[in-house]
Amino acid sequence: QKEVEQNSGPLSVPEGAIASLNCTYSDRGSQSFFWYRQYSGKSPELIMFIYSNGDKEDGRFTAQLNKASQYVSLLIRDSQPSDSATYLCAVNVGMNAGNMLTFGGGTRLMVKP
Amino acid sequence: DVKVTQSSRYLVKRTGEKVFLECVQDMDHENMFWYRQDPGLGLRLIYFSYDVKMKEKGDIPEGYSVSREKKERFSLILESASTNQTSMYLCASSLWDEQFFGPGTRLTVL
Repeated sequence: QKEVEQNSGPLSVPEGAIASLNCTYSDRGSQSFFWYRQYSGKSPELIMFIYSNGDKEDGRFTAQLNKASQYVSLLIRDSQPSDSATYLCAVNVGMNAGNMLTFGGGTRLMVKP
Repeated sequence: DVKVTQSSRYLVKRTGEKVFLECVQDMDHENMFWYRQDPGLGLRLIYFSYDVKMKEKGDIPEGYSVSREKKERFSLILESASTNQTSMYLCASSLWDEQFFGPGTRLTVL
């Protein structure tokens, strides 16, 4: 079983809709959670991080964390074609992991005009 | 802003060549990482370093070595390049667990 799992997609949403991206993780000791956006042919770019249960909002992006259920999600409101990219979930998998992150395989998002 | 740079965006090498990929960060970060990314396999950690001259193997270290002689620079070395090392190579750095990536080097081994 992979430590960090994401649906590979593609997830297709119309412009202006809410895109919901989900990620589950297996290690209950995980401390911190990150969302990266990666455009085709480019490197990952950090867009959100969350450490505590609940919601964290930044502009059109909201990260949600539920440690009891071991999932983290990213909501993108008012989706734009420029949001079309692969979104990577990354998790710091526990106390002994130092500063290493484990990445999910990514979800490809397509926003259609 | 954190800046992580990599020596080449695109590189073409021949089988058996020794290949050096360089990564430099300008934020005095302790930790540096080398990943490779392949379609369907995601990001895989090759090596990481948490201090000068310190290195730790990641998930796929075979066929690679690293060097960190200065805090800001982390080099990935392919001792004898093979075709199965054709990939996108990504360097990252971090102070704590938030990693910042360089632009990547797309390496093709013929």
